[in-house]
Amino acid sequence: KAGVTQTPRYLIKTRGQQVTLSCSPISGHRSVSWYQQTPGQGLQFLFEYFSETQRNKGNFPGRFSGRQFSNSRSEMNVSTLELGDSALYLCASSPGTRQETQYFGPGTRLLVL
Amino acid sequence: QKEVEQNSGPLSVPEGAIASLNCTYSDRGSQSFFWYRQYSGKSPELIMSIYSNGDKEDGRFTAQLNKASQYVSLLIRDSQPSDSATYLCAVNGPGTASKLTFGTGTRLQVTL
Repeated sequence: KAGVTQTPRYLIKTRGQQVTLSCSPISGHRSVSWYQQTPGQGLQFLFEYFSETQRNKGNFPGRFSGRQFSNSRSEMNVSTLELGDSALYLCASSPGTRQETQYFGPGTRLLVL
Repeated sequence: QKEVEQNSGPLSVPEGAIASLNCTYSDRGSQSFFWYRQYSGKSPELIMSIYSNGDKEDGRFTAQLNKASQYVSLLIRDSQPSDSATYLCAVNGPGTASKLTFGTGTRLQVTL
C-alpha cells in the first residue's frame, strides 16, 4: 500500500498571504489528522477529519481551517500568515475507528517571511 | 504540568547497550500509547503501540505500560548508531478520537 502523501513538500510565503496544503491518506483510511511541529512547541494537534466532518479540533486560531473530500483526501488552509506559522505541517491517517495507530506523511515545511 | 512529559536528553548510550526511554502522562483516562521515532528533518515513524498494562516486545524494542503510575517506557536492546534519533511518546485519551498528545521527545545518541 502506498503511504500518506503530502503536497507540496516545501513552501515559502510572506506574511499576510494564505496557503493550502494537501494530504492523501493511505488507501482505505477514512480519518485524517493534521499536526503542526515547531522547535519551541513540539508536535501539536490541529484537527481531525472523518467522513468529511471535523471530528476533533485543537487549540489553534480560526485562521487554521481544513476540509475533507469524499475520497478522504484532506486540505488545510492557513489564512493571513504570521511569522510564527513557520513550521512542519504533518498529516496522519488512520482507518477511522477511535484509538488506533496513526501513520504520518512526509510533511510540508512552510517558511513565512 | 505538561500532559505528556519526556526527558529531552540527549541520552547517550554505547553501541550494543540497552537504551531506556521514559514518558509520563497526566490524563488517567488515557487508553492508547505510542512510540514514534523521528530522524532530523523527517516525519515521525511508528515504532510501537501499547494498550494494556505490561510489556510488549517487537524485535529489539520493548514497550512497557503502567497505568497506575501513568508511565510508559521504551527499551531498545543492542542499540545501533542507526537508532540515533528523537523518540516521541504519544498518548490518545478516551473520547478524543484521533487526537494524539505528544511529549517533546527524547534525543538518543548511540555512540561507537
